Amino acid sequence: EAQVTQNPRYLITVTGKKLTVTCSQNMNHEYMSWYRQDPGLGLRQIYYSMNVEVTDKGDVPEGYKVSRKEKRNFPLILESPSPNQTSLYFCASSLSWTGTEQYFGPGTRLTVT
Amino acid sequence: QKEVEQNSGPLSVPEGAIASLNCTYSDRGSQSFFWYRQYSGKSPELIMFIYSNGDKEDGRFTAQLNKASQYVSLLIRDSQPSDSATYLCAVSQAGTALIFGKGTTLSVSS
Repeated sequence: EAQVTQNPRYLITVTGKKLTVTCSQNMNHEYMSWYRQDPGLGLRQIYYSMNVEVTDKGDVPEGYKVSRKEKRNFPLILESPSPNQTSLYFCASSLSWTGTEQYFGPGTRLTVT
Repeated sequence: QKEVEQNSGPLSVPEGAIASLNCTYSDRGSQSFFWYRQYSGKSPELIMFIYSNGDKEDGRFTAQLNKASQYVSLLIRDSQPSDSATYLCAVSQAGTALIFGKGTTLSVSS
């Protein structure tokens, strides 16, 4: 089944404790992206990747890191999480970086206390 | 600054009515247009895409695109309570990734 998977789905952590949210897609998509979604603010792009080893900042990259060592995986790293990073996070992928629909993972609800 | 604008709603319609959701975009070069449905706490799900001016129908859904006026709309016929969700408009210009609107919340009452 073609899909985007994320883990964990739910995470409660404390300020400053490094964490990684994994994202994997099995559709051989070139483009992958991370969004956060907060009430009233819509989807905001954190980082994106147009292919292996090619990543770039989105609209809200502060406090996040990413890597794209393999085509299928695009982990999101929070080196020192803070309460303002409490949010619902989505990973998405698409066949190419422009003009095509994006497929979303199920989401990760992160709470930082 | 490329922008995609949607009325946040809520748009309330009775069961069986037609729901009309609208989206405007700022970039005249936009070429691909998508509608996603998102239930509360769930991920966005693609329901329609349209590339050419005019109407595109898929079951109870019709997407309408008017590039001259820079708007795209989604009509939902025979609305059902299960259609209650937030609908996201997404737009892409050649050479850019998707830009999402903030969404319109639809509430269908039985």
